[in-house]
Amino acid sequence: DSGVTQTPKHLITATGQRVTLRCSPRSGDLSVYWYQQSLDQGLQFLIQYYNGEERAKGNILERFSAQQFPDLHSELNLSSLELGDSALYFCASSVDQGTYNEQFFGPGTRLTVL
Amino acid sequence: AQSVTQLGSHVSVSEGALVLLRCNYSSSVPPYLFWYVQYPNQGLQLLLKYTTGATLVKGINGFEAEFKKSETSFHLTKPSAHMSDAAEYFCAVSDGPRGQNFVFGPGTRLSVLP
Repeated sequence: DSGVTQTPKHLITATGQRVTLRCSPRSGDLSVYWYQQSLDQGLQFLIQYYNGEERAKGNILERFSAQQFPDLHSELNLSSLELGDSALYFCASSVDQGTYNEQFFGPGTRLTVL
Repeated sequence: AQSVTQLGSHVSVSEGALVLLRCNYSSSVPPYLFWYVQYPNQGLQLLLKYTTGATLVKGINGFEAEFKKSETSFHLTKPSAHMSDAAEYFCAVSDGPRGQNFVFGPGTRLSVLP
């Protein structure tokens, strides 16, 4: 158990819909990262937040957005969903903002778009 | 920009045999390098990382990796494979202590045959 929690574990929805994925980092960690894992794209870094502020952006689509709240939990919002958005979404946390730190991964949320 | 290649999307070894998983990177700055492991239906877990100093890095579960700057490589080895080592292994690179870029390789699936 990494100490990072993600809800829900599974999510099934339809094209065009909007969903919110939630992540709670390990106690004491200030950075949260979001990743998308799919068979064709592999593991893609989406976005990083540090202490409530966006710190780094990867291959995140404009239809996707994220935020980190004062209690440090984070939410990833996916809108206008397409079939290709079906993937495993991981959240990870680390103690501070540097990407050299060990990242602790949650168990993931499996999103299926029908 | 950083990038990572992993030679062999699938590697099979016999139990007790040497494990060698290859990773080559490109980076415009001195890199920080990582190996993560993903067991079935789980999130990723850090095996080991290289930041500075000794180029031979020891990690958990008997794995080690050697940073070779001249070859831009960071291959992962384990002298004797165990059935429990069957998993997906990801090499990753970040662009140093202030880095904002963290890139995973495509992954190598390791199978261990009895």
